[in-house]
Amino acid sequence: EAGVTQFPSHSVIEKGQTVTLRCDPISGHDNLYWYRRVMGKEIKFLLHFVKESKQDESGMPNNRFLAERTGGTYSTLKVQPAELEDSGVYFCASSQDRLGVEQFFGPGTRLTVL
Amino acid sequence: AQRVTQPEKLLSVFKGAPVELKCNYSYSGSPELFWYVQYSRQRLQLLLRHISRESIKGFTADLNKGETSFHLKKPFAQEEDSAMYYCALSEAGGYQKVTFGTGTKLQVIP
Repeated sequence: EAGVTQFPSHSVIEKGQTVTLRCDPISGHDNLYWYRRVMGKEIKFLLHFVKESKQDESGMPNNRFLAERTGGTYSTLKVQPAELEDSGVYFCASSQDRLGVEQFFGPGTRLTVL
Repeated sequence: AQRVTQPEKLLSVFKGAPVELKCNYSYSGSPELFWYVQYSRQRLQLLLRHISRESIKGFTADLNKGETSFHLKKPFAQEEDSAMYYCALSEAGGYQKVTFGTGTKLQVIP
């Protein structure tokens, strides 16, 4: 079974540009999560989808970040316009629609904003 | 607010020596505690969770509610244990977000 996949693996952009990150969860997983780790800090929660609905977006840093999950399958996270402090590794995770189950993580997308 | 603290950024031990990775947490409700591991060039993966009370790859962790700790232990370190270890928590029994500590890099010296 394929795991969670993320694209691209690495993105280098200039401040002010737009970047879109993609996450494909494990097939059949209704729950999809985005996390971020900025340099030297902990991995922080950004938001949680249940199918196509945003269940919890309390971790989104500001309105430059937009997450979507149209159709309840893959998800995109757009940063527009990107700032230097957005640099970090963005992780996606997914889990089944059962209480207390494990979240499976993708390999992450390393975003560098110059 | 929920918080996970891992006081050590780096822990170096010799092969065969005991390992203890420290983790303390603060949480107002009923948390579920986890240890995640990330080996070099691999993705983050769940190592163990307190409710399962399992020993995975020789590692164990006991939840101490009085001390709000969830230290990870292994009696004899192996070279393949070298990795980043993250302590984490979420609300028990839910779909909730996971709160991570800053991680401890374990380096096992041959």
